[in-house]
Amino acid sequence: DQQVKQNSPSLSVQEGRISILNCDYTNSMFDYFLWYKKYPAEGPTFLISISSIKDKNEDGRFTVFLNKSAKHLSLHIVPSQPGDSAVYFCAAKSGGSNYKLTFGKGTLLTVNP
Amino acid sequence: DAGVIQSPRHEVTEMGQEVTLRCKLISGHNSLFWYRQTMMRGLELLIYFNNNVPIDDSGMPEDRFSAKMPNASFSTLKIQPSEPRDSAVYFCASSLTDSNEKLFFGSGTQLSVL
Repeated sequence: DQQVKQNSPSLSVQEGRISILNCDYTNSMFDYFLWYKKYPAEGPTFLISISSIKDKNEDGRFTVFLNKSAKHLSLHIVPSQPGDSAVYFCAAKSGGSNYKLTFGKGTLLTVNP
Repeated sequence: DAGVIQSPRHEVTEMGQEVTLRCKLISGHNSLFWYRQTMMRGLELLIYFNNNVPIDDSGMPEDRFSAKMPNASFSTLKIQPSEPRDSAVYFCASSLTDSNEKLFFGSGTQLSVL
């Protein structure tokens, strides 16, 4: 049973516009959430994270929003650039484990020039 | 720093053969993770080592899979005998124990078992 779900396998946006990637989770014990970015033939790289005590975290063009009541988080990229084209993975972990990340299956973002 | 280094990048083998995947950690990191990525199941944690000791191997699919850390900078993941359903991308990642999210992944090994 997928505890972290990314229901959109792919997303296509125009350069300069906003990209919104969504993630839902089912485990109420999750208290830390992360986004990883993956280019073809490379491993995932850490992008941004958020603790459950916050509802927003921003880093440059990237902002992650957390809605605990809905068990939903989203990653906003503004403005989107062609170099942002990659697979984005949502991941979560619970306070009971300081190492075990549960990943979603990923969303392929394509930013068109 | 060269990052986490995995070898080989690609492995094609026949069913029943032994497969060994290799991983070199980032210098100074003390946690090591093996992940497997498939279309059906996404990224799954297979095994986690801390200070060379296996802490959690609950994700290892079955006894055909084994992993070792003979020293602080190197790990192997072995599949014996391999089966077509083992075909996947296998990632190694390392981190500092207290770094929370900072997993550094290798580029992965694409394994195809025919």
